[in-house]
Amino acid sequence: KQEVTQIPAALSVPEGENLVLNCSFTDSAIYNLQWFRQDPGKGLTSLLLIQSSQREQTSGRLNASLDKSSGRSTLYIAASQPGDSATYLCAVNFGNEKLTFGTGTRLTIIP
Amino acid sequence: DTAVSQTPKYLVTQMGNDKSIKCEQNLGHDTMYWYKQDSKKFLKIMFSYNNKELIINETVPNRFSPKSPDKAHLNLHINSLELGDSAVYFCASSRPLGGSGEKLFFGSGTQLSVL
Repeated sequence: KQEVTQIPAALSVPEGENLVLNCSFTDSAIYNLQWFRQDPGKGLTSLLLIQSSQREQTSGRLNASLDKSSGRSTLYIAASQPGDSATYLCAVNFGNEKLTFGTGTRLTIIP
Repeated sequence: DTAVSQTPKYLVTQMGNDKSIKCEQNLGHDTMYWYKQDSKKFLKIMFSYNNKELIINETVPNRFSPKSPDKAHLNLHINSLELGDSAVYFCASSRPLGGSGEKLFFGSGTQLSVL
Protein backbone atom coordinates (compact mmCIF):
# COMPACT_ATOMS: atom_id res chain seq x y z
CA LYS A 1 0.00 0.00 0.00
CA GLN A 2 1.34 3.41 -0.95
CA GLU A 3 1.40 5.69 2.06
CA VAL A 4 2.91 9.02 3.03
CA THR A 5 3.78 9.82 6.62
CA GLN A 6 4.80 13.08 8.27
CA ILE A 7 6.27 13.20 11.75
CA PRO A 8 5.92 15.13 13.98
CA ALA A 9 2.30 16.19 13.68
CA ALA A 10 3.14 19.52 15.30
CA LEU A 11 6.31 21.55 15.80
CA SER A 12 7.03 24.82 17.60
CA VAL A 13 10.24 26.71 16.92
CA PRO A 14 11.53 30.14 18.06
CA GLU A 15 11.71 32.79 15.38
CA GLY A 16 14.98 32.94 13.50
CA GLU A 17 15.85 29.28 13.84
CA ASN A 18 16.35 26.92 10.96
CA LEU A 19 14.11 23.87 10.91
CA VAL A 20 13.48 20.64 9.04
CA LEU A 21 10.17 18.97 8.30
CA ASN A 22 10.13 15.28 7.45
CA CYS A 23 8.17 13.18 5.00
CA SER A 24 8.48 9.45 4.37
CA PHE A 25 6.81 7.28 1.76
CA THR A 26 6.45 3.54 1.38
CA ASP A 27 7.13 3.03 -2.33
CA SER A 28 10.42 4.29 -3.76
CA ALA A 29 9.12 4.16 -7.34
CA ILE A 30 7.75 7.67 -7.28
CA TYR A 31 7.31 10.13 -10.13
CA ASN A 32 7.63 13.29 -8.08
CA LEU A 33 6.91 14.83 -4.71
CA GLN A 34 5.39 18.16 -3.74
CA TRP A 35 5.43 20.21 -0.58
CA PHE A 36 2.36 22.29 0.14
CA ARG A 37 1.49 24.91 2.70
CA GLN A 38 -2.01 25.24 4.16
CA ASP A 39 -3.09 28.23 6.21
CA PRO A 40 -6.15 27.93 8.50
CA GLY A 41 -9.37 28.16 6.52
CA LYS A 42 -7.50 28.33 3.24
CA GLY A 43 -6.61 26.04 0.40
CA LEU A 44 -3.21 24.51 -0.27
CA THR A 45 -0.39 26.34 -1.96
CA SER A 46 2.28 24.35 -3.77
CA LEU A 47 5.73 25.36 -2.48
CA LEU A 48 8.18 23.06 -4.20
CA LEU A 49 7.98 20.20 -6.68
CA ILE A 50 10.82 17.67 -6.94
CA GLN A 51 10.99 15.28 -9.87
CA SER A 52 12.12 11.71 -9.25
CA SER A 53 15.38 12.44 -11.04
CA GLN A 54 16.20 15.40 -8.81
CA ARG A 55 17.80 15.49 -5.37
CA GLU A 56 16.62 18.91 -4.25
CA GLN A 57 14.75 22.08 -5.13
CA THR A 58 15.15 25.55 -3.66
CA SER A 59 12.87 28.55 -3.46
CA GLY A 60 13.97 31.47 -1.32
CA ARG A 61 14.39 30.28 2.26
CA LEU A 62 12.93 26.86 1.42
CA ASN A 63 14.89 23.82 0.33
CA ALA A 64 13.34 20.44 -0.33
CA SER A 65 15.39 17.29 -0.69
CA LEU A 66 14.48 13.87 -2.01
CA ASP A 67 16.06 10.50 -1.27
CA LYS A 68 14.06 7.89 -3.14
CA SER A 69 16.11 4.93 -1.99
CA SER A 70 15.31 5.63 1.65
CA GLY A 71 11.79 6.86 0.92
CA ARG A 72 12.33 10.26 2.48
CA SER A 73 12.01 13.93 1.75
CA THR A 74 12.79 16.92 3.93
CA LEU A 75 11.69 20.53 3.78
CA TYR A 76 14.29 22.87 5.22
CA ILE A 77 13.19 26.35 6.24
CA ALA A 78 15.95 28.83 6.96
CA ALA A 79 15.68 31.78 9.34
CA SER A 80 12.09 31.04 10.29
CA GLN A 81 9.56 33.87 10.58
CA PRO A 82 6.14 34.06 12.28
CA GLY A 83 4.59 34.18 8.81
CA ASP A 84 5.90 30.66 8.21
CA SER A 85 3.38 29.34 10.73
CA ALA A 86 1.06 26.99 8.84
CA THR A 87 0.48 23.31 8.17
CA TYR A 88 2.94 21.80 5.73
CA LEU A 89 1.86 18.80 3.69
CA CYS A 90 3.92 16.44 1.63
CA ALA A 91 2.29 14.75 -1.38
CA VAL A 92 3.67 12.00 -3.57
CA ASN A 93 2.81 11.12 -7.17
CA PHE A 94 3.24 7.34 -7.30
CA GLY A 95 2.42 7.38 -11.00
CA ASN A 96 -1.27 6.59 -10.68
CA GLU A 97 -2.67 9.92 -11.86
CA LYS A 98 -3.15 11.29 -8.35
CA LEU A 99 -1.29 12.69 -5.37
CA THR A 100 -1.18 10.83 -2.07
CA PHE A 101 -0.94 13.24 0.84
CA GLY A 102 0.66 12.94 4.24
CA THR A 103 -1.22 14.10 7.32
CA GLY A 104 0.85 17.24 7.61
CA THR A 105 3.01 18.97 10.21
CA ARG A 106 1.50 21.98 11.96
CA LEU A 107 4.34 24.48 12.35
CA THR A 108 4.24 27.34 14.84
CA ILE A 109 6.99 29.97 14.84
CA ILE A 110 7.22 31.65 18.21
CA PRO A 111 8.04 35.39 18.03
CA ASP B 1 -7.82 36.80 -10.61
CA THR B 2 -8.54 33.67 -8.60
CA ALA B 3 -7.03 30.65 -10.34
CA VAL B 4 -9.32 27.99 -8.82
CA SER B 5 -12.54 29.23 -7.30
CA GLN B 6 -15.18 27.19 -5.56
CA THR B 7 -18.53 28.12 -4.09
CA PRO B 8 -19.94 28.23 -1.56
CA LYS B 9 -17.22 28.65 1.05
CA TYR B 10 -19.50 27.44 3.83
CA LEU B 11 -22.44 25.08 3.55
CA VAL B 12 -24.61 24.14 6.52
CA THR B 13 -27.47 21.77 5.86
CA GLN B 14 -29.70 19.12 7.37
CA MET B 15 -29.18 15.40 7.05
CA GLY B 16 -30.95 13.97 4.02
CA ASN B 17 -30.72 17.11 1.90
CA ASP B 18 -29.11 17.35 -1.53
CA LYS B 19 -26.45 19.99 -2.14
CA SER B 20 -23.97 21.05 -4.81
CA ILE B 21 -20.53 22.63 -4.75
CA LYS B 22 -19.22 24.40 -7.82
CA CYS B 23 -15.65 24.78 -9.02
CA GLU B 24 -14.10 26.75 -11.84
CA GLN B 25 -10.50 27.20 -12.93
CA ASN B 26 -9.08 29.80 -15.29
CA LEU B 27 -5.64 28.25 -15.65
CA GLY B 28 -6.34 26.38 -18.86
CA HIS B 29 -5.72 23.05 -17.15
CA ASP B 30 -7.17 19.84 -18.53
CA THR B 31 -7.38 17.99 -15.22
CA MET B 32 -9.54 18.81 -12.21
CA TYR B 33 -9.99 17.08 -8.89
CA TRP B 34 -12.15 16.88 -5.81
CA TYR B 35 -10.40 16.18 -2.52
CA LYS B 36 -11.94 15.66 0.91
CA GLN B 37 -10.19 16.81 4.08
CA ASP B 38 -11.55 15.20 7.21
CA SER B 39 -11.55 16.47 10.79
CA LYS B 40 -8.03 15.14 11.29
CA LYS B 41 -6.88 17.20 8.31
CA PHE B 42 -6.19 14.10 6.20
CA LEU B 43 -6.59 14.98 2.52
CA LYS B 44 -7.82 12.25 0.21
CA ILE B 45 -8.71 12.31 -3.46
CA MET B 46 -12.31 11.60 -4.41
CA PHE B 47 -12.44 12.17 -8.17
CA SER B 48 -10.35 13.43 -11.02
CA TYR B 49 -11.46 14.45 -14.48
CA ASN B 50 -9.32 14.97 -17.54
CA ASN B 51 -10.91 17.05 -20.26
CA LYS B 52 -14.41 16.26 -18.98
CA GLU B 53 -13.78 12.53 -18.65
CA LEU B 54 -13.74 10.70 -15.32
CA ILE B 55 -10.25 9.34 -14.60
CA ILE B 56 -10.32 8.49 -10.91
CA ASN B 57 -13.20 7.48 -8.68
CA GLU B 58 -11.81 6.52 -5.30
CA THR B 59 -14.59 4.25 -4.02
CA VAL B 60 -16.73 7.22 -3.14
CA PRO B 61 -20.40 6.46 -2.32
CA ASN B 62 -22.82 6.80 -5.23
CA ARG B 63 -24.44 9.70 -3.39
CA PHE B 64 -21.52 11.79 -4.66
CA SER B 65 -21.80 12.63 -8.34
CA PRO B 66 -19.27 14.88 -10.04
CA LYS B 67 -20.18 16.66 -13.24
CA SER B 68 -17.85 18.40 -15.66
CA PRO B 69 -19.74 20.48 -18.22
CA ASP B 70 -16.44 21.64 -19.71
CA LYS B 71 -12.80 21.31 -18.80
CA ALA B 72 -12.84 24.55 -16.79
CA HIS B 73 -15.63 23.41 -14.47
CA LEU B 74 -16.07 20.48 -12.13
CA ASN B 75 -19.09 20.47 -9.87
CA LEU B 76 -19.87 18.07 -7.03
CA HIS B 77 -23.43 17.07 -6.23
CA ILE B 78 -24.17 15.20 -3.03
CA ASN B 79 -27.48 13.41 -2.47
CA SER B 80 -29.00 12.39 0.84
CA LEU B 81 -26.35 14.05 2.97
CA GLU B 82 -25.13 12.15 6.04
CA LEU B 83 -23.41 13.34 9.20
CA GLY B 84 -20.18 11.70 8.07
CA ASP B 85 -20.10 13.88 4.98
CA SER B 86 -19.12 16.84 7.14
CA ALA B 87 -15.64 17.87 5.98
CA VAL B 88 -13.84 20.43 3.90
CA TYR B 89 -14.04 19.73 0.18
CA PHE B 90 -11.28 21.09 -2.03
CA CYS B 91 -11.29 21.49 -5.76
CA ALA B 92 -7.94 21.47 -7.55
CA SER B 93 -6.58 21.56 -11.07
CA SER B 94 -3.37 20.77 -12.90
CA ARG B 95 -2.01 19.66 -16.20
CA PRO B 96 -2.38 15.86 -16.49
CA LEU B 97 -0.20 14.26 -13.82
CA GLY B 98 0.73 11.02 -15.52
CA GLY B 99 4.43 10.60 -15.30
CA SER B 100 5.26 14.25 -15.42
CA GLY B 101 5.72 16.69 -12.61
CA GLU B 102 2.90 19.13 -12.42
CA LYS B 103 1.89 21.39 -9.59
CA LEU B 104 -1.62 21.21 -8.23
CA PHE B 105 -3.53 24.43 -7.71
CA PHE B 106 -6.20 24.33 -5.02
CA GLY B 107 -9.35 26.28 -4.38
CA SER B 108 -9.95 27.72 -0.92
CA GLY B 109 -12.28 24.91 0.12
CA THR B 110 -15.94 24.43 1.00
CA GLN B 111 -16.63 23.64 4.62
CA LEU B 112 -19.66 21.37 4.70
CA SER B 113 -21.48 20.86 7.98
CA VAL B 114 -24.31 18.34 8.07
CA LEU B 115 -26.59 18.70 11.09
